[in-house]
Amino acid sequence: AQKITQTQPGMFVQEKEAVTLDCTYDTSDQSYGLFWYKQPSSGEMIFLIYQGSYDEQNATEGRYSLNFQKARKSANLVISASQLGDSAMYFCAMKDPANQAGTALIFGKGTTLSVSS
Amino acid sequence: DGGITQSPKYLFRKEGQNVTLSCEQNLNHDAMYWYRQDPGQGLRLIYYSQIVNDFQKGDIAEGYSVSREKKESFPLTVTSAQKNPTAFYLCASSEGHNRGETQYFGPGTRLLVL
Repeated sequence: AQKITQTQPGMFVQEKEAVTLDCTYDTSDQSYGLFWYKQPSSGEMIFLIYQGSYDEQNATEGRYSLNFQKARKSANLVISASQLGDSAMYFCAMKDPANQAGTALIFGKGTTLSVSS
Repeated sequence: DGGITQSPKYLFRKEGQNVTLSCEQNLNHDAMYWYRQDPGQGLRLIYYSQIVNDFQKGDIAEGYSVSREKKESFPLTVTSAQKNPTAFYLCASSEGHNRGETQYFGPGTRLLVL
């Protein structure tokens, strides 16, 4: 069975600093996709970044980058130059077409990021 | 604008009552999903549908039912058999079901039991 682990319940960072949110995953399949979502206090889930297991380059989207280490099964999210609006809960998720639930997402328990001025 | 809408934003359920949560998308996506989120937790899959008139149970389908009669609509009914329905419910859709296709979420419905 696939599994996502986020070991940091909460992280604190000052504005303009970079922060890394950890994510490790477990799967026996070679083809899979990894996602990061942001959930502000309003509740909606906002897609941030995607990494495919066969992608050779680490994914980047603006201030977000994904530090993908396939051998270690980790997919850490790096947020550069943190802003107050980055304060939210962040979820790592994985999609695996081979899993029993089809292609729905499997989520970690999330990390709460607090950015202070 | 294209997107996913969910209604209502808040829903109150009495004991023994069935309630239905609405999810509509105008993104022309084939696949739609329902997730449940409990406080301080990640999302868990209730049901998903990859095509009209077809849907599959997820990890926690007991006490829930769905239908997919139209491509753009995927309502979720919380039945009286669901003994602990208080949670945040999120609907999502994706263009297809390949590994790289992103799921986009609606704003969610908070269900509370009276």
